[in-house]
Amino acid sequence: EIVLTQSPGTLSLSPGERATLSCRASQNISSNYLAWYQQKPGQAPRLLIYGISSRATGIPDRFSGSGSGTDFTLTISRLEPEDFAVYYCQQYGSSRSTFGPGTKVDIK
Amino acid sequence: QVQLVQSGPEVKKPGASVKVSCKASGYTFTSFGITWMRQAPGQGLEWMGWISGYNDNTNSAQKFQGRFSMTTDTSTSTAYMELRSLRSDDTAVYYCARRRYPNDYWGQGTLVTVSS
Repeated sequence: EIVLTQSPGTLSLSPGERATLSCRASQNISSNYLAWYQQKPGQAPRLLIYGISSRATGIPDRFSGSGSGTDFTLTISRLEPEDFAVYYCQQYGSSRSTFGPGTKVDIK
Repeated sequence: QVQLVQSGPEVKKPGASVKVSCKASGYTFTSFGITWMRQAPGQGLEWMGWISGYNDNTNSAQKFQGRFSMTTDTSTSTAYMELRSLRSDDTAVYYCARRRYPNDYWGQGTLVTVSS
């Protein structure tokens, strides 16, 4: 099973600031199958990024994904009030998918 | 528009079984699989498995094998997941999602509470 580690656990920032979230895999993720989700309290997760860097339908361009191999990054260029939430990475390159533990982005 | 609508909350006793449904609309059901995931209170997401929308192919996480099964009814565009021998640590919100990119549309979640 591929284990994903996310850091930091919590990121405290102000609106307008840049957020950089990290996701590290225990082994190489094949075919670039790495996705990011946003989840707000009481809601289902929302797909933001798939294939490391492709934005899902309707996702604003302030969200971007990058990385390769075992190290991946989600960047939010300028935080909007609605971006304060928990973010999860997911690998789907192995036969059994796994999620990271999440990074909470909260208001400083 | 694509929608996945799940069945309502359940309360079960330890040792019982639960079956959750996920009715899809707005797309051709047989073109995509359905993934099942869960989230315990205050915890992260856990991938449980997926089922093909057009044949019986499934794949599930090893920790659930033996007490977890998934089925589909293509005539009603509905997917089902059943979890047996429930324990208190199975208390969670269970989600279905369309298996594309890898999971682009999600159901609203079904809370399953296991309590004596």
